[in-house]
Amino acid sequence: EDKVVQSPLSLVVHEGDTVTLNCSYEVTNFRSLLWYKQEKKAPTFLFMLTSSGIEKKSGRLSSILDKKELFSILNITATQTGDSAVYLCALSGGSNYKLTFGKGTLLTVNP
Amino acid sequence: DADVTQTPRNRITKTGKRIMLECSQTKGHDRMYWYRQDPGLGLRLIYYSFDVKDINKGEISDGYSVSRQAQAKFSLSLESAIPNQTALYFCATSDYTGDRTDTQYFGPGTRLTVL
Repeated sequence: EDKVVQSPLSLVVHEGDTVTLNCSYEVTNFRSLLWYKQEKKAPTFLFMLTSSGIEKKSGRLSSILDKKELFSILNITATQTGDSAVYLCALSGGSNYKLTFGKGTLLTVNP
Repeated sequence: DADVTQTPRNRITKTGKRIMLECSQTKGHDRMYWYRQDPGLGLRLIYYSFDVKDINKGEISDGYSVSRQAQAKFSLSLESAIPNQTALYFCATSDYTGDRTDTQYFGPGTRLTVL
C-alpha cells in the first residue's frame, strides 16, 4: 500500500522567514509526486515532480524530489501571511493513477 | 465560471436521510473523483470514475454510492446518512496524459453535517 508522511504537521513562523516542508513516501511503482496548497476550501495545484534532482520553481516556492531517498521538500522563501495554508503532498503510483495524500502541514505565517 | 462546481456547498441533515452531492465540470476531463476530508485524516478517496462506464471503489466506499450521469457529471449519494459521515467532501477531475500521472483539480467542496 502506498504511503505518504508529511512533516512537520504544523509550523508557525514570522513573515520573512524561510520554511521547508517535508514529504516522505513509500510506493510500489512511482509515477509522480504532487504538492497542493489548501487555504479555506479546495486544494489548488502547485507542482508535479517526476524526476529526481530537478527543481520546480514558482515565485518564492520551489520543490525538489529525491527518488533514491524517497522524499520531497517544498521551500517557501520570504514568507508572507498569504502563505498561511495547509500544504498537501500526494503520490501517484501503481497502475490505477490514483493519488494518495499525506495528512498535510499546517503553515501559519504571523505578521 | 469555475471549472469544477459542487452543489450544495453546505448541507445539514439528519441521521437516516438520503443525501446526494453533485459535481459538474467544464474542463472536458474524463476522470472524476470523490474524496472526503476529516481533521487529522487528510483526503481519502471514496469513489473514482475514469469514464462514464467505469466506476471504481476507493479506500472508504462503504455507506456511499455514485453515479456518472455524463462525462461532466458525477454524483455521490449517502443512502442513509450517519453522523460519522460528517465531513468536507471534494470532487476532483483529471485528464489522462499518457504514461505520466494526471494532475487533479478540485471543486470548492461541500460541508456536510449529519445530526
